[in-house]
Amino acid sequence: AQSVTQLGSHVSVSEGALVLLRCNYSSSVPPYLFWYVQYPNQGLQLLLKYTSAATLVKGINGFEAEFKKSETSFHLTKPSAHMSDAAEYFCAVSEGTGGGNKLTFGTGTQLKVEL
Amino acid sequence: SQTIHQWPATLVQPVGSPLSLECTVEGTSNPNLYWYRQAAGRGLQLLFYSVGIGQISSEVPQNLSASRPQDRQFILSSKKLLLSDSGFYLCAWKPPLWATEAFFGQGTRLTVV
Repeated sequence: AQSVTQLGSHVSVSEGALVLLRCNYSSSVPPYLFWYVQYPNQGLQLLLKYTSAATLVKGINGFEAEFKKSETSFHLTKPSAHMSDAAEYFCAVSEGTGGGNKLTFGTGTQLKVEL
Repeated sequence: SQTIHQWPATLVQPVGSPLSLECTVEGTSNPNLYWYRQAAGRGLQLLFYSVGIGQISSEVPQNLSASRPQDRQFILSSKKLLLSDSGFYLCAWKPPLWATEAFFGQGTRLTVV
């Protein structure tokens, strides 16, 4: 069975500082991995995805993530935080394509950006 | 382009009352459809998914049910709401073939009082 662990339910950074949100996964097959962002009382927006191509994936809003199979990790980074990055971030895993292959989410990391 | 609509945005219902949340997708055919519930600090829990009209798979036994009466319509229902049904409900869709990520609606905030 697939699962996701996000270390740190709350992360606080200063504006302009590096953002690092951690995600570790468990999967019985080569996984598909995703990061989503959620602003208050809104749905989830896809930031980026890993689908077995390049291990370093670039997404929207300057975010990127690196797939490390040996560490079963898919950490999300951004070189310089902006106030508008404050939101909740979810890591998710899927074991295939098609409707029956569901996304399994982590419990989320709330990112706070301070002046 | 494809869009997903979910309504209502907020809902306050008394315990024991019925529930009906609706989700529709435009711009695609035969989407895979999903209902998730989000509780504070607990991430997203998959409740139901559907790969076609009338085909519903339940992930978690609970007080809720789902139906798919039309290709692009997905309904979440309850006959009698419980306090524990409160939460943020999200509908999502995936394209029918070779799809990896899901696309989410704006959610419904349900408060059972």
